[in-house]
Amino acid sequence: DSGVTQTPKHLITATGQRVTLRCSPRSGDLSVYWYQQSLDQGLQFLIQYYNGEERAKGNILERFSAQQFPDLHSELNLSSLELGDSALYFCASSVGQGWTYEQYFGPGTRLTVT
Amino acid sequence: TQLLEQSPQFLSIQEGENLTVYCNSSSVFSSLQWYRQEPGEGPVLLVTVVTGGEVKKLKRLTFQFGDARKDSSLHITAAQPGDTGLYLCAGARGTGNQFYFGTGTSLTVIP
Repeated sequence: DSGVTQTPKHLITATGQRVTLRCSPRSGDLSVYWYQQSLDQGLQFLIQYYNGEERAKGNILERFSAQQFPDLHSELNLSSLELGDSALYFCASSVGQGWTYEQYFGPGTRLTVT
Repeated sequence: TQLLEQSPQFLSIQEGENLTVYCNSSSVFSSLQWYRQEPGEGPVLLVTVVTGGEVKKLKRLTFQFGDARKDSSLHITAAQPGDTGLYLCAGARGTGNQFYFGTGTSLTVIP
């Protein structure tokens, strides 16, 4: 158990819908990272927050948005869902920013868009 | 296209055999990490290498960072069924917060 929690574990929804994925980092971690893992694209970095502020952006679609709240939990919002958005979404947390700090990954949310 | 290419993509070996997984790029990285991911779980960090030519050992696993900091390898000696999993390399540039993950190597060790 990494100490990072993600809810829900599984999510099945239809194309065009909007969903929210939630992540609670390890106690004391200020940084939250979001990743998407699919069979064809592998593990892709989406976005990173540190203490409530966005600090890095990767291959995140405009239909996707995220935020980190004052209590440090984070939410990833996916809208106008397409079949291709079906994937595992991971959240990871670390004490600080950058590679000098180990990232701890949550168990992921499996999103299926039908 | 992925910034980091891993080879082989799939590997199935007998218990006790040795193996090497490669992680290659045309880009220079400040650091390179190796993770292992088991089904239904998130990746778990195994090691971070920082200096060109650096070699780190973790029990039967040996990690090496290329001299030019563009590639890395993971060597497993006397593989065991518990080594089964998806191995991912990940590179970071500068002091940036973005990690570029490799394409992954799925290892199966047969008892």
